[in-house]
Amino acid sequence: DGGITQSPKYLFRKEGQNVTLSCEQNLNHDAMYWYRQDPGQGLRLIYYSQIVNDFQKGDIAEGYSVSREKKESFPLTVTSAQKNPTAFYLCASSPQGARAETQYFGPGTRLLVL
Amino acid sequence: LAKTTQPISMDSYEGQEVNITCSHNNIATNDYITWYQQFPSQGPRFIIQGYKTKVTNEVASLFIPADRKSSTLSLPRVSLSDTAVYYCLVGDKDNDMRFGAGTRLTVKP
Repeated sequence: DGGITQSPKYLFRKEGQNVTLSCEQNLNHDAMYWYRQDPGQGLRLIYYSQIVNDFQKGDIAEGYSVSREKKESFPLTVTSAQKNPTAFYLCASSPQGARAETQYFGPGTRLLVL
Repeated sequence: LAKTTQPISMDSYEGQEVNITCSHNNIATNDYITWYQQFPSQGPRFIIQGYKTKVTNEVASLFIPADRKSSTLSLPRVSLSDTAVYYCLVGDKDNDMRFGAGTRLTVKP
């Protein structure tokens, strides 16, 4: 089956701890995205990448970091600098990201702070 | 970035047609209009996209007037399973499009 997988489904973070959320796609898409969603709110763009080894900040990049070493993988690290990390995190991909294309979303990871 | 405005919520009954309107007064010439559907604790799912006039697929229709300053998503004969949040996005690149708060549609029996 082609698609996007995110793991884990639930993740708990302790104070001062960095945590990494996994996102993998086998759709052969060039572009990948990370969004954050707070309860009752829309999605906000954290980071995006249109090609391997390149990524750009979105609207709320502070406290987050990403890497894009492989086409199929785009992990997101929530650092200790992110003071309010509790949210639902969604990863997406699209063929090229160069024009309005359908974005395909993963099932999401819910991050909770202990 | 083109800003969109949608109603916060709508209620409907099973079997009715639902029309959700989105305003995008500062839409640019190259911008497309895209709608997504999101169920609780899931990622959004693409519904339909258009540039002008009317687009129809097996799920919905999208009506866009000539001035393109608004668009209407039409869901024919909704069922309980259509209860979800619907987002209207405007842009010409994926990283230019923004998800607002969306419209929370509740379909009642």
